[in-house]
Amino acid sequence: GAGVSQSPSNKVTEKGKDVELRCDPISGHTALYWYRQSLGQGLEFLIYFQGNSAPDKSGLPSDRFSAERTGGSVSTLTIQRTQQEDSAVYLCASSSSSGGAGANVLTFGAGSRLTVL
Amino acid sequence: AQSVAQPEDQVNVAEGNPLTVKCTYSVSGNPYLFWYVQYPNRGLQFLLKYITGDNLVKGSYGFEAEFNKSQTSFHLKKPSALVSDSALYFCAVRDRGGGNKLTFGTGTQLKVEL
Repeated sequence: GAGVSQSPSNKVTEKGKDVELRCDPISGHTALYWYRQSLGQGLEFLIYFQGNSAPDKSGLPSDRFSAERTGGSVSTLTIQRTQQEDSAVYLCASSSSSGGAGANVLTFGAGSRLTVL
Repeated sequence: AQSVAQPEDQVNVAEGNPLTVKCTYSVSGNPYLFWYVQYPNRGLQFLLKYITGDNLVKGSYGFEAEFNKSQTSFHLKKPSALVSDSALYFCAVRDRGGGNKLTFGTGTQLKVEL
């Protein structure tokens, strides 16, 4: 697609429920990132996928969080047994890996706003 | 470990005046540096980046940033602010030798008033 697509745009859930957030990156982009944006906390890195390499999971806050990327394209972020502190906007971004990958610009989706009651 | 500090939560400036949004960074090696902007109810957008070469980088909408290695800073500047520049600005850093993880600051809310 033309941009990074995320769904759902809004999700309200009850504490203790599991949620899945989906990201569809730009076609051909091999790198995919998940970030979390909370009020006053800036952008918190969660996880990074690059092609077929093992993902960098160093930012996942607990074992309740997991993510996968199927076929090198669509990614799903799963939060199990949600807690109120999980309420935030979850942002997905993708980038190409051509040339100097470290210098590549991220294209962000509009985000999924999660509210845990 | 890499980190970014944006010491000001909010910057207020009058339209037509110059603006500066501050950013300092910490990396073990040499940095790639970025600025992104988030307008109300819109996604994050790339503004400019420093990779190598000239320390003064020019980006979209008349913004520029100056890389200062000795001060480990990458302040965002614009000679004449517009009301439409009001947004949330994020500085980000990536260590050249440390993989592709991009670390963001906490953001600075810029408010430009008439």
